[in-house]
Parts: sequence; structure tokens; C-alpha cells
Amino acid sequence: AQSVTQLGSHVSVSEGALVLLRCNYSSSVPPYLFWYVQYPNQGLQLLLKYTSAATLVKGINGFEAEFKKSETSFHLTKPSAHMSDAAEYFCAVSDLNTGNQFYFGTGTSLTVIP
Amino acid sequence: NAGVTQTPKFQVLKTGQSMTLQCAQDMNHNSMYWYRQDPGMGLRLIYYSASEGTTDKGEVPNGYNVSRLNKREFSLRLESAAPSQTSVYFCASRLGGGLAGYTFGSGTRLTVV
Repeated sequence: AQSVTQLGSHVSVSEGALVLLRCNYSSSVPPYLFWYVQYPNQGLQLLLKYTSAATLVKGINGFEAEFKKSETSFHLTKPSAHMSDAAEYFCAVSDLNTGNQFYFGTGTSLTVIP
Repeated sequence: NAGVTQTPKFQVLKTGQSMTLQCAQDMNHNSMYWYRQDPGMGLRLIYYSASEGTTDKGEVPNGYNVSRLNKREFSLRLESAAPSQTSVYFCASRLGGGLAGYTFGSGTRLTVV
């Protein structure tokens, strides 16, 4: 069965500091991995996705994530946090077995301190 | 603007009342989904429709029914609302499976009292 674990339900960083949001997955076959962002009172927006083309994936708003098979991880990073990055972030996994189903993590709320 | 449109945005129901949440997409996507979002639990799949004419249960289908009316529209019905169904409901769509990401609607905030 597929699953996603996001370590840390709340993360706080200072403006300009590194953002690191952790995601570990469980999948019996090569996964497809996604990061979504949710701003207050809005739906989820796709930040980036891993589909086996390259292990380092660049997304919108300066975010990137690295797929590490040996660690079953897909952590999201951004070198310098901006106030506008404050939001909820969700990691999700899908694969050829699940076909139409995604499995979402429980989310990480990012606070950026001025 | 192209995307996923959900109505209503907010709703308060009394226990036992029924209602239908509407969802429509104009991106010609094949697959459509209903999720609920609860604090600390992330998003959980209620029902999905892989293509027009098909529907399947997700992780938490009890108390809900769905209809894929046509390729554009996918509705979620609560026949007899319960306080446990208080949640934010998101509709999503995507072109196919696997590699395709979701496009989400802006959500319906439902309170059952």
C-alpha cells in the first residue's frame, strides 16, 4: 500500500532562511511524487512533481525537491523564505498500481517570521 | 478562467438534511474526484470517477453518493447529513492517471449542526 509521511505538522522559519519540508513515502513500485501548496481559504495548487525524468525537480516560486530512492524521501526546499510562502504544504504519492488515486500526507503548515 | 468550479462555497446544514455539492470542470479532463479535508488528517478521497459513466469508492465513502452527470460535472450528495461530515470538501480533476497532477476547486466549507 502507498502512503506518505510528512514530518512536522508546523514549521517556522525566519524570512530569508532555508525552508525544508520533509516527506517520506512508501510505495512498492516506482512512485510519482507531488508537492502541493494551499493558501488560506483556497484549493491546492501544484508546486512540482517527480515522474522519474530527473531526481532534482524544480517547481514554481523557487521551490525544488529531490527524489532519493535510498531514503524513500522527497523533501521540499527553498533557499530563502519569503513572507508569501506562508501556507500549508502537502506531499502526495501515486504510482502505476494506484492508477487514479493519490495518497496525501497530513500537511505541513509553514510560518515565515519577519 | 479555465478550471474547476465548486458550488456552494459555504453551507450550514442541520443534522438529517440533505444537499448536493456541485463540481464542474472545463479542461476536458477525464477523471474527477471528491476529497474531504479535516485538520490533522490531510485530504481523504471520498469518491472518484475515472471516466464519464464510471464511479468508484475512495477511502471514506460512507454517507455519500456521487453522480458523474457528464464529462464536465461530478456531484457529491449527502443524503442525511451528520455532524461528522463537517469538513471542507474539494473537487479535483485531471486528464488521466499516473503522471497527471490534479487541478483543484476552491472548496466548499460545510458545517453540520
